[in-house]
Amino acid sequence: DARVTQTPRHKVTEMGQEVTMRCQPILGHNTVFWYRQTMMQGLELLAYFRNRAPLDDSGMPKDRFSAEMPDATLATLKIQPSEPRDSAVYFCASARDPEAFFGQGTRLTVV
Amino acid sequence: KNEVEQSPQNLTAQEGEFITINCSYSVGISALHWLQQHPGGGIVSLFMLSSGKKKHGRLIATINIQEKHSSLHITASHPRDSAVYICAARPTIQGAQKLVFGQGTRLTINP
Repeated sequence: DARVTQTPRHKVTEMGQEVTMRCQPILGHNTVFWYRQTMMQGLELLAYFRNRAPLDDSGMPKDRFSAEMPDATLATLKIQPSEPRDSAVYFCASARDPEAFFGQGTRLTVV
Repeated sequence: KNEVEQSPQNLTAQEGEFITINCSYSVGISALHWLQQHPGGGIVSLFMLSSGKKKHGRLIATINIQEKHSSLHITASHPRDSAVYICAARPTIQGAQKLVFGQGTRLTINP
């Protein structure tokens, strides 16, 4: 049963700390997305990769967020330094056109 | 005005009722997705449509490209259908796979 795996599922951290979220896409999927979901904004695209190359990260605050895909089995989203306004659920999704599959999300709380 | 608008925002119905959730979009699209998010937070892709109608069990999704409108129907609704339903459009102008999300419709089915 292929699925997108995200770790950790929950993270509570203090303001100013570095946070790294990880995603293992479905094997064979060539596109990986990072989304953020908040009560106020709903789901927003932060960045996406195709064949490990970043195609668009315009939705991401560049000063503190970075997204990478070091290999085909791992995508990372890093926040440094974290701020309380970053508290949200972060979803990773992988796709092989036309379908996309979502991970369970990482619920981040920055206090 | 959001590029993707859903209605209603909240819907409460009795078990067995026929449910309709609407999605209107203002941009040209190559595809439209319907997603389901359960209280636990996970997101499941229900349908991906580019024209016409699709059916899966008690769920039916339709799209009218000329009117820029899609509907999600649930027949014989059940309490387990209670979830947030999200419409997501893939604009043709912004690249192949970016999704623009509606704010979601929170559906509650009472027994």
